[in-house]
Amino acid sequence: DSGVTQTPKHLITATGQRVTLRCSPRSGDLSVYWYQQSLDQGLQFLIQYYNGEERAKGNILERFSAQQFPDLHSELNLSSLELGDSALYFCASSTRGSGAYNEQFFGPGTRLTVL
Amino acid sequence: TQLLEQSPQFLSIQEGENLTVYCNSSSVFSSLQWYRQEPGEGPVLLVTVVTGGEVKKLKRLTFQFGDARKDSSLHITAAQPGDTGLYLCAGGGGGSNYKLTFGKGTLLTVNP
Repeated sequence: DSGVTQTPKHLITATGQRVTLRCSPRSGDLSVYWYQQSLDQGLQFLIQYYNGEERAKGNILERFSAQQFPDLHSELNLSSLELGDSALYFCASSTRGSGAYNEQFFGPGTRLTVL
Repeated sequence: TQLLEQSPQFLSIQEGENLTVYCNSSSVFSSLQWYRQEPGEGPVLLVTVVTGGEVKKLKRLTFQFGDARKDSSLHITAAQPGDTGLYLCAGGGGGSNYKLTFGKGTLLTVNP
């Protein structure tokens, strides 16, 4: 158990809908990262928050957004869902926002299926 | 764009055999991390290497960071069925560069 929690574990929805994925980082971790994992693309970095502020963006679509709240939990919002958005979404946390030892600890993931 | 190529993509071996998987890039990384992921679960951090030429051992697993910090290898001795999983390498930029770049992984199956 990494100490990172994600809900829900599974999510099935229809095209065009909007969903929210939730992540709670390890106790004491200030950074939260979101990743998308699909069979063909592997693990793709989406976005990072550090202590409530956006730190970096990766391959995140404009239909997707995220935020980190004062209690450090984070939410990833996916809207106007398409079939291709079906994937595993992982949240990871780390103590710091950067540095050589920026070791990230992953949650169990949310499996999103868009029908 | 920093890319990490992992090889082989798939590896199926018998229990007790030794194996090596590779992680290569044309870019220099300040650190290299190895993760193991089981189906439907999140990646679990195995090790971080930061110094060129560094070798770290974790029981039957030996990790090496290349001298130029562009490549890494993972060697498993006497593989066991419990070693089955997707092995991912991830390169870190260091300093103010927070981002980890992941390879697509090596899917290892160890048959009893």
